[in-house]
Amino acid sequence: EDQVTQSPEALRLQEGESSSLNCSYTVSGLRGLFWYRQDPGKGPEFLFTLYSAGEEKEKERLKATLTKKESFLHITAPKPEDSATYLCASLGNTGKLIFGQGTTLQVKP
Amino acid sequence: DTGVSQDPRHKITKRGQNVTFRCDPISEHNRLYWYRQTLGQGPEFLTYFQNEAQLEKSRLLSDRFSAERPKGSFSTLEIQRTEQGDSAMYLCASSNRDREETQYFGPGTRLLVL
Repeated sequence: EDQVTQSPEALRLQEGESSSLNCSYTVSGLRGLFWYRQDPGKGPEFLFTLYSAGEEKEKERLKATLTKKESFLHITAPKPEDSATYLCASLGNTGKLIFGQGTTLQVKP
Repeated sequence: DTGVSQDPRHKITKRGQNVTFRCDPISEHNRLYWYRQTLGQGPEFLTYFQNEAQLEKSRLLSDRFSAERPKGSFSTLEIQRTEQGDSAMYLCASSNRDREETQYFGPGTRLLVL
């Protein structure tokens, strides 16, 4: 059964303190690994799609990487506006997007 | 491209009432998905359409739930005889699989069943 697990569940950082969020996945026939950002009361906002192990993508202070079993979302020198819940999801042969429970990030000034 | 839109954004109803939600996907997106999200959890897949055909339904989608996508454009999700356990955020997403796998989400409809 396809499964996605994210850690930690919650992360508190000081502004400028870099860190990484982990996403472990098991999926039959990976068609894509996705990262989304979700603010309270809103829908998930697309960040990155990774298709194969070794792939990396960057956007401002965020960088996503992918191995055969995990994906990491690296946050460099975060700012308070980066505070949100970050969701990881896998897409496999079932055609269904399977989400982890998310990591809630709080960045304090 | 105005993104995925959903209506209403919030709905409060009494147990036993029927509710209907609407989703308008990004134009030219041939796939449309419905998800449900409860507090502290990631979204859970409910069902999806390729054009007007409903291709898959989750076991989460009981007989009280029905979804349609007439003419392959907007979609509606109806919940009959609502229960308190139906309280959740209902999210719609769309994609154009001919180009990429990425699903783009709407703002969601927050349902509260009293």
